[in-house]
Amino acid sequence: DVKVTQSSRYLVKRTGEKVFLECVQDMDHENMFWYRQDPGLGLRLIYFSYDVKMKEKGDIPEGYSVSREKKERFSLILESASTNQTSMYLCASSLGRTSGSYEQYFGPGTRLTVT
Amino acid sequence: GENVEQHPSTLSVQEGDSAVIKCTYSDSASNYFPWYKQELGKGPQLIIDIRSNVGEKKDQRIAVTLNKTAKHFSLHITETQPEDSAVYFCAASIANSGYSTLTFGKGTMLLVSP
Repeated sequence: DVKVTQSSRYLVKRTGEKVFLECVQDMDHENMFWYRQDPGLGLRLIYFSYDVKMKEKGDIPEGYSVSREKKERFSLILESASTNQTSMYLCASSLGRTSGSYEQYFGPGTRLTVT
Repeated sequence: GENVEQHPSTLSVQEGDSAVIKCTYSDSASNYFPWYKQELGKGPQLIIDIRSNVGEKKDQRIAVTLNKTAKHFSLHITETQPEDSAVYFCAASIANSGYSTLTFGKGTMLLVSP
């Protein structure tokens, strides 16, 4: 089974702090994604990466950055956390260009509260 | 960019009834339409998907239909069971050879009462 793990299930940070959310997948997937999920808004794509050291902006990248130094790990960084970044953050991965499969496998999510 | 509308936002049915969730998309270039189920405390999980060269796909009690002309697609669940209770998301994508980025609908909370 594909396993996508996220470093924390719950996180509480203060406004202005630098926050790191870590995601690790164990299936050698090429593609990795970060979403945020808010009630009534569904899932919105923040950033994605289709290869090591590659990153692409999603629909709502403002206030976030990402890092992918190793294939299995994709980090989401909030440079200076703000209260409007309080949300559920979901990481996902998918196989890659030669597979023909676009299924995304999601982690359990990190609920971040910024006070 | 792509915009996906999903209805209804909540749906309550009795066990054994059918449930239908509908989505519309805006970008005629979209060619991949997955449906995800999210149970409480978990991440979404793919339950069925359809590509634009197919009009309908079934997997046991679940089916998806696609109308490219009207740009809408639907999820049909027959003989619903309490374990079908969850939030369901539709999504649309332009899937190329390497990856697809999904645009999700806002979700439908399905409640199946015994």
